[in-house]
Amino acid sequence: DAKTTQPNSMESNEEEPVHLPCNHSTISGTDYIHWYRQLPSQGPEYVIHGLTSNVNNRMASLAIAEDRKSSTLILHRATLRDAAVYYCILIFLFGSNQFYFGTGTSLTVIP
Amino acid sequence: DAGVIQSPRHEVTEMGQEVTLRCKPISGHNSLFWYRQTMMRGLELLIYFNNNVPIDDSGMPEDRFSAKMPNASFSTLKIQPSEPRDSAVYFCASSPLLGGQGANEQFFGPGTRLTVL
Repeated sequence: DAKTTQPNSMESNEEEPVHLPCNHSTISGTDYIHWYRQLPSQGPEYVIHGLTSNVNNRMASLAIAEDRKSSTLILHRATLRDAAVYYCILIFLFGSNQFYFGTGTSLTVIP
Repeated sequence: DAGVIQSPRHEVTEMGQEVTLRCKPISGHNSLFWYRQTMMRGLELLIYFNNNVPIDDSGMPEDRFSAKMPNASFSTLKIQPSEPRDSAVYFCASSPLLGGQGANEQFFGPGTRLTVL
């Protein structure tokens, strides 16, 4: 089963862009790349997902490398409310697979 | 929609007792997931269902854990007998299945914090 690797922690200044990296070198052709975040004492919250092309939504952008072995979640202007643990996971299109959330990247936003 | 509903929100029990956690997915969602979160192991997928059928239960730690989904609007996760190492936050999530598993976002419930003494 494909797994992901993320830095344990990152810091960003408020109102500056944040680039959260994720490596997934064993990704298969039909694995979607998902990002979720978890605020303290809450359940995980969906952020964005994609397959091959870069994706944008109201929360963030997802940049996917051409070989799909890595991706970057981009928060365009970090706010204090973006302080959370960010998880990058791979979810197979069809069939059975284990989704490994791991321990994610803890993002600290500095005022 | 009220979102994914989990009950109870907190559960404290003694070792050896049976514990049942409940989940009501978002109406219309065909997939349901049970996760466990601990400081040591992070967020782990235990089992998931598509159209009420268990698809992958390889994350269930041992035979003391069982999960059922008798209909599209209700699922249970049971631990019998419970042990202190089962203490964790248990999350339920649901998602549509349109276009395939990976093509859809998951919506998480608020979780059940279980403490086994």
